[in-house]
Amino acid sequence: QQQVKQSPQSLIVQKGGISIINCAYENTAFDYFPWYQQFPGKGPALLIAIRPDVSEKKEGRFTISFNKSAKQFSLHIMDSQPGDSATYFCAASGETSGSRLTFGEGTQLTVNP
Amino acid sequence: DGGITQSPKYLFRKEGQNVTLSCEQNLNHDAMYWYRQDPGQGLRLIYYSQIVNDFQKGDIAEGYSVSREKKESFPLTVTSAQKNPTAFYLCASSIINGNNYGYTFGSGTRLTVV
Repeated sequence: QQQVKQSPQSLIVQKGGISIINCAYENTAFDYFPWYQQFPGKGPALLIAIRPDVSEKKEGRFTISFNKSAKQFSLHIMDSQPGDSATYFCAASGETSGSRLTFGEGTQLTVNP
Repeated sequence: DGGITQSPKYLFRKEGQNVTLSCEQNLNHDAMYWYRQDPGQGLRLIYYSQIVNDFQKGDIAEGYSVSREKKESFPLTVTSAQKNPTAFYLCASSIINGNNYGYTFGSGTRLTVV
C-alpha cells in the first residue's frame, strides 16, 4: 500500500514535443506529491509538487496533473528541450508516513535535438 | 549557502573493509535520510532519522549502520557484511513539521569495491 508505481521506465521525445510521465499510488492517506529531476552523477532536485486540493499545478513548462479519484498524478513537460534530458522521480507522502517519501522507480527521459 | 554536503564524492573500498560516508547539512532540518541508487532501480531507503540519537531502518538496512549524534550530521557506515556495496549513495534532509515534506539531496557518493 506504500508503493508508488511510475511509468514509463524510459521515454524518448523530440525537441519541442510533450513529455508525459505517470504515477499511481494506493495509499489514500498520501497528501503531498513531489517530482524530482536528477542529472547523471548528481542528487535529485525538487522540480514541482502538488497537494490533493488542486487538480493541476503549473510552473513554467512543467505541469502536474492530479486525479484524486483515480489515485494518479502525472508530470507534463511542454516544449521539451535537450536540457530536460534527465531521470525523473515521482514521490508521495502523508501523515501516516511522517516525513518519509515513497519514491517511484524513475523515468529516464531523453529529448533528441 | 544552505545545503547538504556529502563526502567524499568517490570512494573505493577493498573487500572486507568498513567505510564511512559523510553527510552534513546546515538547513536546520530535523530529518535525514540515506538512499542507495543502482542503475535502473530507483532510490532505495537504507536508514532515516527524525531526531538526534534516534534512527530507523529503511528497506535495505542490512550491512549498513548509522549514527545521529548531532542534528547536522548523519554518517553512514558500509560494513563488510554488505555483500554488494558498489552503488551511488545519496543523503537527504527535510523538515517534519508543517505541510512541506520536500527533500533536499546532497550530490552523492559513488562507492566502488576494488
